Amino acid sequence: AQSVAQPEDQVNVAEGNPLTVKCTYSVSGNPYLFWYVQYPNRGLQFLLKYITGDNLVKGSYGFEAEFNKSQTSFHLKKPSALVSDSALYFCAVRDSGGYQKVTFGTGTKLQVIP
Amino acid sequence: GAVVSQHPSWVICKSGTSVKIECRSLDFQATTMFWYRQFPKQSLMLMATSNEGSKATYEQGVEKDKFLINHASLTLSTLTVTSAHPEDSSFYICSARAVGPEGEQYFGPGTRLTVT
Repeated sequence: AQSVAQPEDQVNVAEGNPLTVKCTYSVSGNPYLFWYVQYPNRGLQFLLKYITGDNLVKGSYGFEAEFNKSQTSFHLKKPSALVSDSALYFCAVRDSGGYQKVTFGTGTKLQVIP
Repeated sequence: GAVVSQHPSWVICKSGTSVKIECRSLDFQATTMFWYRQFPKQSLMLMATSNEGSKATYEQGVEKDKFLINHASLTLSTLTVTSAHPEDSSFYICSARAVGPEGEQYFGPGTRLTVT
């Protein structure tokens, strides 16, 4: 069974500093990996995905993620955090077969401090 | 980009009544739709997967007779919470997967259900 782990419940970072939100995964076969962001009482917004190709994936709002196959990680990064980046971030892995079910991590709350 | 809508966005109902939530893909066809449930400060838990014209596939532990899912067309899926109880209060989110081998999943804005 596939799974996703986000080891940090919350990450605090000062505005303007780089941020990293960690994610590791477990899946049989090739991983399809995603990052989503959720603002309070809102649905999920897609940030970026890795299917194949370059290990560094660039996404929306200046975010990027690095796929590391040997470490089974897919950490989300941004060079300079904004206060408006404060939200709940979910890492997800998608099954490559069948109905392509998506499994989410437990989420990491990002707090950017002015 | 592709848009998925949910209606209603917020609903309050009395215990014992049924509530229907609609999920629509507005500008693309979705052969597969997913329903998730999210409790406060928790992750999304997949409830069921529905394919247009066929019965939904429910995840283990989800009562199919309580959470009725109908995927009547390529742009509409509905979730009906039957005989709702306070413990059914939650945030329900649907997603729709676009047609194609790498069809992206797009998420709706969610529906907040409160059962009193």
